[in-house]
Amino acid sequence: GAVVSQHPSRVICKSGTSVKIECRSLDFQATTMFWYRQFPKQSLMLMATSNEGSKATYEQGVEKDKFLINHASLTLSTLTVTSAHPEDSSFYICSARLAAEAFFGQGTRLTVV
Amino acid sequence: GESVGLHLPTLSVQEGDNSIINCAYSNSASDYFIWYKQESGKGPQFIIDIRSNMDKRQGQRVTVLLNKTVKHLSLQIAATQPGDSAVYFCAAREGYSTLTFGKGTMLLVSP
Repeated sequence: GAVVSQHPSRVICKSGTSVKIECRSLDFQATTMFWYRQFPKQSLMLMATSNEGSKATYEQGVEKDKFLINHASLTLSTLTVTSAHPEDSSFYICSARLAAEAFFGQGTRLTVV
Repeated sequence: GESVGLHLPTLSVQEGDNSIINCAYSNSASDYFIWYKQESGKGPQFIIDIRSNMDKRQGQRVTVLLNKTVKHLSLQIAATQPGDSAVYFCAAREGYSTLTFGKGTMLLVSP
């Protein structure tokens, strides 16, 4: 199947700093990628839909100025958590669409201290 | 909007047993359904999918059943193994919209 690579897998940052997470489709081009957030023992919550060459579409309640998404190429989308705070600590997962299927990255565990 | 939910948060089985994980969805217009397996600290892994024009689909040791009348989806795992221990999510989609995930069921397999 198609491979989606997410980097880094784990990151610890200080409160107030920014963190960038990368999502790459390795063997296919993805015009659409998705960013999810997952709290412990909970389901995936869609944060935003990232469209190559255009602005991301954010879900209700997600601050677009805090969670910056850039989809500059057909194989790369980035999520930047700006001015991170402890409440932003979570597991962030990206996925890329290929035809009808969605393939997921390995996830990034963000811890803000 | 659409909601997708699971009946059981945790399912404990013995190795070798068959496991059945259930899911209910609310949007009758959903036409594509997927089951994912998520191991601790990892992203979801595709298991099997089914379209609304089918009511059953089989894979290797897994079977998905779809009952559109009652908007219910199930995942059956035959001869469950310890390596099957994970959280299982169902997801549903209408057309080309985004996936909506259910709450998840943790499957615990005892040797």
